[in-house]
Amino acid sequence: NAGVMQNPRHLVRRRGQEARLRCSPMKGHSHVYWYRQLPEEGLKFMVYLQKENIIDESGMPKERFSAEFPKEGPSILRIQQVVRGDSAAYFCASSPFASGEYAGELFFGEGSRLTVL
Amino acid sequence: QKEVEQNSGPLSVPEGAIASLNCTYSDRGSQSFFWYRQYSGKSPELIMFIYSNGDKEDGRFTAQLNKASQYVSLLIRDSQPSDSATYLCAVTSDSNYQLIWGAGTKLIIKP
Repeated sequence: NAGVMQNPRHLVRRRGQEARLRCSPMKGHSHVYWYRQLPEEGLKFMVYLQKENIIDESGMPKERFSAEFPKEGPSILRIQQVVRGDSAAYFCASSPFASGEYAGELFFGEGSRLTVL
Repeated sequence: QKEVEQNSGPLSVPEGAIASLNCTYSDRGSQSFFWYRQYSGKSPELIMFIYSNGDKEDGRFTAQLNKASQYVSLLIRDSQPSDSATYLCAVTSDSNYQLIWGAGTKLIIKP
């Protein structure tokens, strides 16, 4: 049973370009979370999605960032017109549970490390 | 604002000793508590969760929860160098699907 798959693992972009990060959840998991982590800092929640629905995007900047989880295919986190401050590790996590006491049992991908030059 | 507090460390513990990691949280309505381990440059992985007051043991790991004091801890017995990592405490919010994360405690086990 494959784990959460993220790609690319490393991505380098110049300021103003677009970054597109992909996440395939574990088989049977329909709940996807995106987190951002700066070096030596904790995880910052960005967005929670179910298939074809954004449930909570309260942690995502209003400008330049968007996320989707289509019926078919991976979840995608898109960052338009990247700036140096977007450089970070972006982790995707999945869960088979929508809510309740088990909803905190998340399975993480290896992360995508974005560097903006 | 709901918060989860952890001492950032580093916490240095000799090999074979007990490592004690602590976490406090502000939301009295929190129901579920999780400890994740994150090795440098890697992703977090779940190592323990606890829902009820008291202790929960799993191998060398024991999670302790005291809801009255809003305090959760992780004890690692017989610490090994491979336990050196950052330990993240996470607590469910009242929405019950979103985790509130601490910034993590860096643990160093010295041979």
